Amino acid sequence: RKEVEQDPGPFNVPEGATVAFNCTYSNSASQSFFWYRQDCRKEPKLLMSVYSSGNEDGRFTAQLNRASQYISLLIRDSKLSDSATYLCVVKYGATNKLIFGTGTLLAVQP
Amino acid sequence: EAGVAQSPRYKIIEKRQSVAFWCNPISGHATLYWYQQILGQGPKLLIQFQNNGVVDDSQLPKDRFSAERLKGVDSTLKIQPAKLEDSAVYLCASSFNRAPSNEQFFGPGTRLTVL
Repeated sequence: RKEVEQDPGPFNVPEGATVAFNCTYSNSASQSFFWYRQDCRKEPKLLMSVYSSGNEDGRFTAQLNRASQYISLLIRDSKLSDSATYLCVVKYGATNKLIFGTGTLLAVQP
Repeated sequence: EAGVAQSPRYKIIEKRQSVAFWCNPISGHATLYWYQQILGQGPKLLIQFQNNGVVDDSQLPKDRFSAERLKGVDSTLKIQPAKLEDSAVYLCASSFNRAPSNEQFFGPGTRLTVL
């Protein structure tokens, strides 16, 4: 079983739509959780951290359910510029090692 | 502030040849990481350095891959000999230190094609 699992997509949505991505992780000792964004042929960049209480950054909302080992990302009012791969990432242990999921591809259509 | 620099950006070699990639982290960052990203997958950590010491190389295929960070600044990753399955993007990242609270910043990557 993969340490971090995501639906690879692609998710094809029209502009203005709301889209949700889900992710599960297998190691209950995971301590930190993130969503990264990766544009085509570019490097990953941190989108937002994910906290147990849930957190919001503009049109983006992230949620964590530790009991179910489940992370989600909600994007409201999708823009063309949101088209990218969204990577679910966890950390555990004393090092700063990132464990990435395979990523979910989002294509926002005009 | 300058980001993480990597070179070359692209490399095409034949199997069994050798190749080396170079990374210069953000100034002042003590921790440096090399990741391998195969097409359609997320990045996978190969090796992590803290200054010039190795913190984690558990997923580095040591029979063919080697990495060094001799002066605790820039780093080189080498593959010798390359196999077809080594075709991937090799990403270098750095962080201020290895405490989990520190964000990692990624370089643009080196895209390797092994024929």
